[in-house]
Formats: sequence, C-alpha cells, structure tokens
Amino acid sequence: DQQVKQNSPSLSVQEGRISILNCDYTNSMFDYFLWYKKYPAEGPTFLISISSIKDKNEDGRFTVFLNKSAKHLSLHIVPSQPGDSAVYFCAARKLSRDNYGQNFVFGPGTRLSVLP
Amino acid sequence: ETGVTQSPTHLIKTRGQQVTLRCSSQSGHNTVSWYQQALGQGPQFIFQYYREEENGRGNFPPRFSGLQFPNYSSELNVNALELDDSALYLCASSLVASNTEAFFGQGTRLTVV
Repeated sequence: DQQVKQNSPSLSVQEGRISILNCDYTNSMFDYFLWYKKYPAEGPTFLISISSIKDKNEDGRFTVFLNKSAKHLSLHIVPSQPGDSAVYFCAARKLSRDNYGQNFVFGPGTRLSVLP
Repeated sequence: ETGVTQSPTHLIKTRGQQVTLRCSSQSGHNTVSWYQQALGQGPQFIFQYYREEENGRGNFPPRFSGLQFPNYSSELNVNALELDDSALYLCASSLVASNTEAFFGQGTRLTVV
C-alpha cells in the first residue's frame, strides 16, 4: 500500500510563476513531513520540513502547507527558477517503537520543469 | 564537517552473486538508514542501524543485511542477487529521533545481469 502519494508525475511551470507540488498521505502516525529535491546522479537533498503540529513553514522561496484533516501537504515555490528543475519527493517520518530512530516513507516523486 | 559518502558509485553483478555496498556517515550522526530506489519510484526503506544494532526494517527479505561499525560507517550486503535488485541504493545518516532531516549520499547504482 502506498502510504505517501504524489499523484502528479510531472509539472511544467514558467520561470517567475508559482510551482505547487502536492502530496497526500494515509498514515495518521506520521509526525513530521519533509520535501527533498533530487538532481540526476545525486542523492536527495533536504529542502524544507514541517512538524505535524504546524500548518505552515516558510523558508525563502519555499513554503510547505499541511492540512492534517485532509492528510494533504503542498510545497509552494515562488518565484520558480530554472535551477529548481528537479524531481521533488515528499517524505513522511515514522519514529521507531522505542523512538531511537526514524525512517522516512517517500512518495514516488514529481518531476518539475521550470521553463525560461 | 564531511557529508555522507558511498562506494562504489556504480556496480555490475551477475544474478546469484553477493554484493557489499559501503557508506560513511555525516560527522556526528549515529543513525544510518539504507534505501532502495527503483527506476521511477521513490526511495524505499530497507533498514536502519543505531549504535551498531538494527533498529527498524522495511519490507525486504533476509538476504538484505547490514552492519554498522563503531565509527558509525555502515555496509549493506545483498546475497543471491536477483534481477529486480537492480536499483540505486541510498544511504542516509541522521541524529537519533531528532526533528531533523536525513542526509543522503549520492547512491550506488547496482545493475544485476
């Protein structure tokens, strides 16, 4: 079962406009959500995160919104730049039973293309 | 502060063989996790090590095993390789149960022929 879903495999946006990437999850036990960006031939790079007790977190051009009742989060990038073109993964954190450790459940990713 | 490094970057193995992948954690991080990323999919959690002990496992068979060493570096071993094991294997290090992100290495691309 896919606990973290990103239903849009790809998204194209004009430079300077807003990019909105969406993510849905099914497990209420997730306590922390993250967005990672991945360029070809590189590992995922952390972008921004949000705790489940918040509904918004902002860092420069990047804002993540969390709607816990809908089990939905979104990443807003504004303004979008050509260098933002990458695959974006939504991830949700599960703590291990003894809380000494965490693992992340990833969505399948959305490929963002920002057109100049 | 050094990042997470993995070796080798690419590897080709034959079905039935065994493989060992290596990972050096980010300085100060005591938790290492391994992920498998098949083509077109997100990373899938294999297992995690904390203080040299396995501390959480995903839905992978026992032929996937690992080790963590006192310096927090880690190995992923896969026995009896199958064609479907072809994937990018990612190592991630993090602090214990902290509200912090996991830092990923660049991955090892394993091809099983």
